Amino acid sequence: GENVEQHPSTLSVQEGDSAVIKCTYSDSASNYFPWYKQELGKRPQLIIDIRSNVGEKKDQRIAVTLNKTAKHFSLHITETQPEDSAVYFCAPRGESNYQLIWGAGTKLIIKP
Amino acid sequence: NAGVTQTPKFQVLKTGQSMTLQCAQDMNHNSMYWYRQDPGMGLRLIYYSASEGTTDKGEVPNGYNVSRLNKREFSLRLESAAPSQTSVYFCASSERGTSGSGHTQYFGPGTRLTVL
Repeated sequence: GENVEQHPSTLSVQEGDSAVIKCTYSDSASNYFPWYKQELGKRPQLIIDIRSNVGEKKDQRIAVTLNKTAKHFSLHITETQPEDSAVYFCAPRGESNYQLIWGAGTKLIIKP
Repeated sequence: NAGVTQTPKFQVLKTGQSMTLQCAQDMNHNSMYWYRQDPGMGLRLIYYSASEGTTDKGEVPNGYNVSRLNKREFSLRLESAAPSQTSVYFCASSERGTSGSGHTQYFGPGTRLTVL
């Protein structure tokens, strides 16, 4: 089955700096690549996603880039703010249209 | 518009007891999902229902059963709870699968289950 790895597991950045989280997957057939954010004690929420026919997608301070050849995609957050503190999960599509395979998560800490 | 709701919020069971976790969505979504989240890990799919009347196994189905009662409701049953099933359980729904628009999964608030 699909193997998904996220790096780093914890990332601490100064407020206002940028953060990058990388997700590596094994299934070359994956064609859908979302990122979810989960604040402490809350439910996961989709923040951005990309499909395999697109290399990059931006939404204000958040962007996702995809390298299908190398089988990895990355979350970029610019001008980080305290409310960006959370755990971020990548979850590429698995064997079917209904299966997402979740990474172990990256805890992002924004230092004031 | 409540989105996805789950009951109960918290539950403590003894080994061998049974219980049903309830989930309902009011977004008229076709697809529903049950996940478990263990500390320091991502979510793992237990079962999903692509549409009303169908259910399929996910990554970790052993020890669980599901029922898609109607389009709105999708329940998860633990027949004989074990300590390994201590986890946070999330229900989610989406308009459809990942192949087109309407693929975003919306999550409920979760049920924190402890099995002693």
